[in-house]
Amino acid sequence: DAGVIQSPRHEVTEMGQEVTLRCKPISGHDYLFWYRQTMMRGLELLIYFNNNVPIDDSGMPEDRFSAKMPNASFSTLKIQPSEPRDSAVYFCASSLRGQGSATNEKLFFGSGTQLSVL
Amino acid sequence: AQKVTQAQTEISVVEKEDVTLDCVYETRDTTYYLFWYKQPPSGELVFLIRRNSFDEQNEISGRYSWNFQKSTSSFNFTITASQVVDSAVYFCALSNAGGTSYGKLTFGQGTILTVHP
Repeated sequence: DAGVIQSPRHEVTEMGQEVTLRCKPISGHDYLFWYRQTMMRGLELLIYFNNNVPIDDSGMPEDRFSAKMPNASFSTLKIQPSEPRDSAVYFCASSLRGQGSATNEKLFFGSGTQLSVL
Repeated sequence: AQKVTQAQTEISVVEKEDVTLDCVYETRDTTYYLFWYKQPPSGELVFLIRRNSFDEQNEISGRYSWNFQKSTSSFNFTITASQVVDSAVYFCALSNAGGTSYGKLTFGQGTILTVHP
């Protein structure tokens, strides 16, 4: 089975440019998460979706960041305009929650997108 | 507020040694989940274990074992007879149980484990 697929693996851009990161979750999963990893702040949740609906975007750092999930198999994280401090590894993760006692909080992470903003 | 502390920034061992990675957490919730993830050099995060706050039984999976102690708010991870392939960054994480907190993991800073041949 294919895991969570992220593209691109690496992105180098110049300050002020728009950046779009893409994620294809595992088929059938109903939750999708965007996490960011930096040396200073570690791993932090940016936003997550349930059944394509954004549930909590309190981790999104600024209005420059936006995320969409137009359907169950695709999500984007956009940064416009990008800044050097946005340089980080961005992870997408998906999960199938389950019901009742079978609730399964196991997140499957993609390989991440290494973003460098010069 | 939740917090996860992994006091060991880096650990270096020789193959076949046992190694324990420490994790201490803080939460005001009575029900929560604890996790360990592995991040190998390839970069992806690999799920290792999830433990409910009401289940303090230790768990063993092959060479891996986990010791959960609510009294000390610790969830330590031991690798027995370490191997070079165990070299990775290991993250401990915490989340509230369910509701709108589902999947909202608070990660520790990670421990870099290097296993030398």
